[in-house]
Amino acid sequence: KNQVEQSPQSLIILEGKNCTLQCNYTVSPFSNLRWYKQDTGRGPVSLTIMTFSENTKSNGRYTATLDADTKQSSLHITASQLSDSASYICVVSEGDNAGNMLTFGGGTRLMVKP
Amino acid sequence: NAGVTQTPKFQVLKTGQSMTLQCAQDMNHEYMSWYRQDPGMGLRLIHYSVGAGITDQGEVPNGYNVSRSTTEDFPLRLLSAAPSQTSVYFCASGTENTGELFFGEGSRLTVL
Repeated sequence: KNQVEQSPQSLIILEGKNCTLQCNYTVSPFSNLRWYKQDTGRGPVSLTIMTFSENTKSNGRYTATLDADTKQSSLHITASQLSDSASYICVVSEGDNAGNMLTFGGGTRLMVKP
Repeated sequence: NAGVTQTPKFQVLKTGQSMTLQCAQDMNHEYMSWYRQDPGMGLRLIHYSVGAGITDQGEVPNGYNVSRSTTEDFPLRLLSAAPSQTSVYFCASGTENTGELFFGEGSRLTVL
């Protein structure tokens, strides 16, 4: 069964510090890996999408890495801000189209404290 | 720039009642889908549609119906609500050639 496991489940950091969230997957076939940010009470918003051939992609202070050989991805947040407090969801797709089967991780809940 | 709009945002039902969650998108996306999000679990696909007149089941379709009469709208119907359907429901839409999904703000449903 396809699975996406995220760690840690929750994390508390101080404002201005960096942090790294982990995602391990067993999805096959693999097409792309996505990271979403979900603020409390809101819908997920896309941060990055990486295909098999990409091993890093940045979006402002967010940098995602992908190791397709070990089936691992990470999301690094630099110089955290209070607005980074949210859940971060790793999603793996079996195809290139929006309609292809997606496997969602359970998310990492990040709290940034002043 | 509305994007994906879901209504209602909150709803409380009694067991056995029926209701419809509305979803509309103004981005001319062919693909639309419904997910449910439960504590500690990843989003799970209920139903999806790749265009007007076409729908298909996802991972957890039991107890839900959908229809897609227009490109813009994709309502989700609960036929006879059960407490196990207490959840947060998200509608999402996307284009077939980018893989990007755009989510609505969610509808929180409580079934007593």
